[in-house]
Amino acid sequence: EVQLLESGGGLVQPGGSLRLSCAASGFTFSNYAMNWVRQAPGKGLEWVSGIKGNGGRTNYVDSVKGRFTISRDNSKNTLYLQMNSLRAEDTAIYYCAKELTVRSEFDCWGQGTLVTVSS
Amino acid sequence: DIQMTQSPSSLSASVGDRVTITCRASQSISIYLNWYQQKPGKVPRLLIYTASSLHSGVPSRFSGSGSGTDFTLTISSLQPEDFATYFCQQSYSAPSFGQGTRLEIK
Repeated sequence: EVQLLESGGGLVQPGGSLRLSCAASGFTFSNYAMNWVRQAPGKGLEWVSGIKGNGGRTNYVDSVKGRFTISRDNSKNTLYLQMNSLRAEDTAIYYCAKELTVRSEFDCWGQGTLVTVSS
Repeated sequence: DIQMTQSPSSLSASVGDRVTITCRASQSISIYLNWYQQKPGKVPRLLIYTASSLHSGVPSRFSGSGSGTDFTLTISSLQPEDFATYFCQQSYSAPSFGQGTRLEIK
């Protein structure tokens, strides 16, 4: 069974940093691109960042470019999101999501970790 | 960036009704359009990918169609468990989602 388990969320002040992790199991992690998708309280879904299976290609939504860094450790079956210079508008539940194929269809999602940016 | 617009934003329907939700892209995305269902407090669930392919385990009452800029999600006969919010998402370029359609019980 495919499982994704996020951790690392919490309360942080504006300008602060957090590192999210997503532990994967039940599939060959290195064969699949992975993504982070966020959802502000009561709002819709927003794709944040994605990384190919070998870690060789990454991309980001414009609003986080230069502040967030996605990475993965295929030896540990773990996906990461380093978030710096956090803003109030980054407050959301952050989900890691596995791609079904190479076309960014998100077929498996973690339960999410809540990031709250507030003073 | 590609903008995705869903209509309607909310919809009231009854069990057994046929329901259609529309998603429009700001430019052509070929068939790279996916649909998700999300229930309150739950994780999104992939229903349809590449416009019309039914994801594993999804009931056949769900179907998708369209290409280019205009797409539809149809539920042929609403069941009680189908009342949820539905999102479209393009995967032609950097992914983006529609704003969601909330399907409520009439």
